Amino acid sequence: DIQMTQSPSSLSAFVGDRVTITCRSSQSISTYLNWYQQKPGKAPKLLIYAESTLESGVPSRFSGTGSGTEFTLTIASLQPEDFATYYCQESHSFPSFTFGPGTKVEIK
Amino acid sequence: QVQVVQSGGEVKKPGASVKVSCKTSGYSFSNYAINWVRQAPGEGLEWMGWMNVNSGNVKYAQKVQDRVTMTTDTSTNTAYMELRNLRSDDTAVYYCARVAFKWNTHTMDVWGPGTRVTVSS
Repeated sequence: DIQMTQSPSSLSAFVGDRVTITCRSSQSISTYLNWYQQKPGKAPKLLIYAESTLESGVPSRFSGTGSGTEFTLTIASLQPEDFATYYCQESHSFPSFTFGPGTKVEIK
Repeated sequence: QVQVVQSGGEVKKPGASVKVSCKTSGYSFSNYAINWVRQAPGEGLEWMGWMNVNSGNVKYAQKVQDRVTMTTDTSTNTAYMELRNLRSDDTAVYYCARVAFKWNTHTMDVWGPGTRVTVSS
C-alpha cells in the first residue's frame, strides 16, 4: 500500500505570506496527485488535480508542482479565506485512494 | 447544477448498523463512480471505498471491508453506504464524493455535506 505523508502538520502564517506544503508518497505515483482544502465543519473541496491543474474556480495564487514521490502545494499570497486544512491524495492506486494526514494553516 | 444531499445524523449503539444515503442531481449518475470518505472527530480524511455506479464494481478499504456494503439506486440517483457491527471508533462524519476522471487522474470533485454518525452505548 502507498503511504502519504505531509509536512508540516501545521503552520502559522500572516496574510500575504507565501506558504508551501509538501506531500510525499512511499513510492512513485507519477503525477496522480490531488490537493483538497477543508474548512472547519465543511466538506473538502478539490483544489488541484493531476499534480498541477487548478480546478475550475480556484484562485491562481494556488499552484502545485512535483512528480514521482515529492509534491508541493504553494499559496503565493495567503488570503484570510485560505486558512484551512489541506490534504494531498494519491490516485495511483485506483480504485483505492489514500489521503495524506493533512496540514493545518492557521493565522499568525 | 450538481447537488448532493446526504441523510441526517445518526446515533447508534455498538454492534448496530447504519445506512447513509447520498442523493445526487444535476449530472448523469451512472457516468461517474462514488467514493465514501469518513473523518473521525479532530482527525484526517479516511477513504472507505469506491463504487462504479455503471458496473456495480466495488473496492473497499481493508480496514472496513468485512463490515461495509456500498450500493446505488439508479432510479433515484442515490448511493448508499451501510456499515455493520459499529464500534466507537466508527464515530465520524461520513462523506460521499463523486469520482471524476480529469487529466488522466481520478479526483473527488463533488462532495456531499457529510453525515455525522455517533456510536455510543
